[in-house]
Amino acid sequence: GAGVSQTPSNKVTEKGKYVELRCDPISGHTALYWYRQSLGQGPEFLIYFQGTGAADDSGLPNDRFFAVRPEGSVSTLKIQRTERGDSAVYLCASSLSGGGADTQYFGPGTRLTVL
Amino acid sequence: AQSVTQPDIHITVSEGASLELRCNYSYGATPYLFWYVQSPGQGLQLLLKYFSGDTLVQGIKGFEAEFKRSQSSFNLRKPSVHWSDAAEYFCAVGARGGADGLTFGKGTHLIIQP
Repeated sequence: GAGVSQTPSNKVTEKGKYVELRCDPISGHTALYWYRQSLGQGPEFLIYFQGTGAADDSGLPNDRFFAVRPEGSVSTLKIQRTERGDSAVYLCASSLSGGGADTQYFGPGTRLTVL
Repeated sequence: AQSVTQPDIHITVSEGASLELRCNYSYGATPYLFWYVQSPGQGLQLLLKYFSGDTLVQGIKGFEAEFKRSQSSFNLRKPSVHWSDAAEYFCAVGARGGADGLTFGKGTHLIIQP
């Protein structure tokens, strides 16, 4: 079956602009995660959704970052007033039901470059 | 809060040789432990995971890992590497009973020499 998909695969924007990154999870997966991976680092947790609600947003770095999942499927990560430090690969993952032991399946990521 | 240390940034191994990638974690109880592999242009792929029971876990592509509570380690091993194993390897820990995401190490870059 189809895996996790993310669009766009690459996004180049200018400092101060607004961007939206989209994630389509595996069908039927109720849990959805966003991570950020900077160059030479491991993925860093941003936010976790269980259904439509954000169960844990403790990893969002500041209030410029926001994510939604209005129908419990597709999610959008929104970044306002982008800064050069936001440049990274943004990864989305989904799992069947959430919880620490559940396998998370990752998408290919969106590479964001802020000029 | 949990943390993961992968002490080796790069490892070079000859094709056909054995491999061991080190992972140490910090967590107050027995965690859930994972190894993921990331190839260039590819998403993260789960190799194996441990959450209870037998401390020696078998995964895909001939990999295995052993959970050692006394050493807070979860090292990844493979008896004979192939050139296609060249990739970035990440160890990760998940909290029991929590809704948190995974905490990843910084990764080990594996280079295979012919």
